[in-house]
Amino acid sequence: SQQGEEDPQALSIQEGENATMNCSYKTSINNLQWYRQNSGRGLVHLILIRSNEREKHSGRLRVTLDTSKKSSSLLITASRAADTASYFCATDGHNFNKFYFGSGTKLNVKP
Amino acid sequence: GAVVSQHPSRVICKSGTSVKIECRSLDFQATTMFWYRQFPKKSLMLMATSNEGSKATYEQGVEKDKFLINHASLTLSTLTVTSAHPEDSSFYICSASTGRVYNEQFFGPGTRLTVL
Repeated sequence: SQQGEEDPQALSIQEGENATMNCSYKTSINNLQWYRQNSGRGLVHLILIRSNEREKHSGRLRVTLDTSKKSSSLLITASRAADTASYFCATDGHNFNKFYFGSGTKLNVKP
Repeated sequence: GAVVSQHPSRVICKSGTSVKIECRSLDFQATTMFWYRQFPKKSLMLMATSNEGSKATYEQGVEKDKFLINHASLTLSTLTVTSAHPEDSSFYICSASTGRVYNEQFFGPGTRLTVL
């Protein structure tokens, strides 16, 4: 990808379990964002974390950021079948308003 | 608010023809629009950035003459895939920014292009 990698590439869990996805990036950033994409559809913004933040919560989502390791993680707690989608991180790479996306994690939540 | 539309949502064309994809910001003025390309099961790759009234800035490796971008108004940007070939088949997504909030982009639903 233009900026980083995500792992795992694919994740399959049972409904109710937690899902953790990781994102690593290459250059310094101002902030990092997580997006969700249902198959063949556009992107839905989930959460933004700034470079001076270490953790952020939004509902069942928890995002962490470690700028020293150039990595972030997205945790979805108590997953639901409706959470099935691909999840991407996006960084700005210190370029004003430009996004560079990670390779994505395809999450499958089995009912 | 902050809705971005794309038209068409799906297009099939013959090899050698040109295809135009429109990206519109429906309820806000977009000073900057971005075009991304996504291959199946892959990430989004930024192709170009366009500012209203000026020439688009293309990312390294993206052919300017192949992918013509026009941002003629604050609510419309177009991507024209010229002389399309099967390898141009992809999912094209645009996004739009007001320029007022750093790193805030609103994404369109995408256009699936299939070149036969």
